[in-house]
Amino acid sequence: SQQGEEDPQALSIQEGENATMNCSYKTSINNLQWYRQNSGRGLVHLILIRSNEREKHSGRLRVTLDTSKKSSSLLITASRAADTASYFCATVPGRSFQKLVFGTGTRLLVSP
Amino acid sequence: NAGVTQTPKFQVLKTGQSMTLQCAQDMNHNSMYWYRQDPGMGLRLIYYSASEGTTDKGEVPNGYNVSRLNKREFSLRLESAAPSQTSVYFCASGDSGRGNTIYFGEGSWLTVV
Repeated sequence: SQQGEEDPQALSIQEGENATMNCSYKTSINNLQWYRQNSGRGLVHLILIRSNEREKHSGRLRVTLDTSKKSSSLLITASRAADTASYFCATVPGRSFQKLVFGTGTRLLVSP
Repeated sequence: NAGVTQTPKFQVLKTGQSMTLQCAQDMNHNSMYWYRQDPGMGLRLIYYSASEGTTDKGEVPNGYNVSRLNKREFSLRLESAAPSQTSVYFCASGDSGRGNTIYFGEGSWLTVV
């Protein structure tokens, strides 16, 4: 079964608005990562947050992690049409440094 | 750098046929992976190889075999294709030293009729 579940499954916003996506997972983790997938392409790594971190920023991206709730959120500020893509969270469960397990993804549509 | 290269990009198979998806990476990564992606299911791990010479099953290994030919190459074989294996297949590689961030190929679209 999937380790991560993203919420919402789909999100539609206007350019300039913020987009927030959530991820819940089931087991303890070493780190949590967010990836982006443009239609018909492979996934691209966006940001990694370790289990001992609570918040991380990268450009217009802000990721939070709450290990007590087993959840993470990805915030994209000032969205652009080019941010239209699917976003996936992925976890490295427990002590496993090798196996990355993905959630089901959030489809983001940013309209001009 | 080419990154992760997988071939073929598209393939149509008849039920029962066999084929091998090839994957190569030029980033000197120890770990390599095969995932499949189906609508509404996200990515599911088929097999992975933590290092050259080792392979392990993921979530959905049935109907597949893999070979870690060397550090660069990791192939996925369908011995007797079934319609349920119609999917998009992604190869990826990673380095556990970077928290296991992984890098994906562009995907192989496989249709089994």
